[in-house]
Amino acid sequence: AQKVTQAQTEISVVEKEDVTLDCVYETRDTTYYLFWYKQPPSGELVFLIRRNSFDEQNEISGRYSWNFQKSTSSFNFTITASQVVDSAVYFCALSEPIQGAQKLVFGQGTRLTINP
Amino acid sequence: GAGVSQSPRYKVAKRGQDVALRCDPISGHVSLFWYQQALGQGPEFLTYFQNEAQLDKSGLPSDRFFAERPEGSVSTLKIQRTQQEDSAVYLCASRPGLRSSYEQYFGPGTRLTVT
Repeated sequence: AQKVTQAQTEISVVEKEDVTLDCVYETRDTTYYLFWYKQPPSGELVFLIRRNSFDEQNEISGRYSWNFQKSTSSFNFTITASQVVDSAVYFCALSEPIQGAQKLVFGQGTRLTINP
Repeated sequence: GAGVSQSPRYKVAKRGQDVALRCDPISGHVSLFWYQQALGQGPEFLTYFQNEAQLDKSGLPSDRFFAERPEGSVSTLKIQRTQQEDSAVYLCASRPGLRSSYEQYFGPGTRLTVT
């Protein structure tokens, strides 16, 4: 069965600090997709990034970067020079290939608070 | 363009009442999902539609939960004889295609409180 673990329940840092959110996943499939979503206080989940299991290249988008390591089944998310607007709950999620179930399996989320 | 919309945003029901939650997906999106998010938890899958066909309802917690998408666009999640444990945020998501590699676009959710 698929499983996503986000061991950090809450993280609190001061603005401009770098912060890394951890995500570890379990799956028996060789083809799968990983996602990160942001959930601000408004409640709507906002898509951040998608990664397929064959692409281990790290990705950077502005202050955001993602480190995918298949060997350790991890897909970690780093925010550089954090800002107050980054405060939200962040979810890591896993999806099976089209032949399998279509759902996203989410971790429990990490509540990130950036203090001014 | 318009995103996924859900109504009502908040619903308070007395235990035993029936409720209906509506989801308007992004126009043209083939796939539609319902998730349940308990307080402090990640969303959990309830059911999946491909156009009007309900292809996966493995996540529905009991036969009190029923979902439909009769014309392949708007969907309704119905909960009969609500119980306190049904209190949660119900999220709807749509996806443009059939491939699970595509991201899902989420609505703001309906917060259901059963008293």
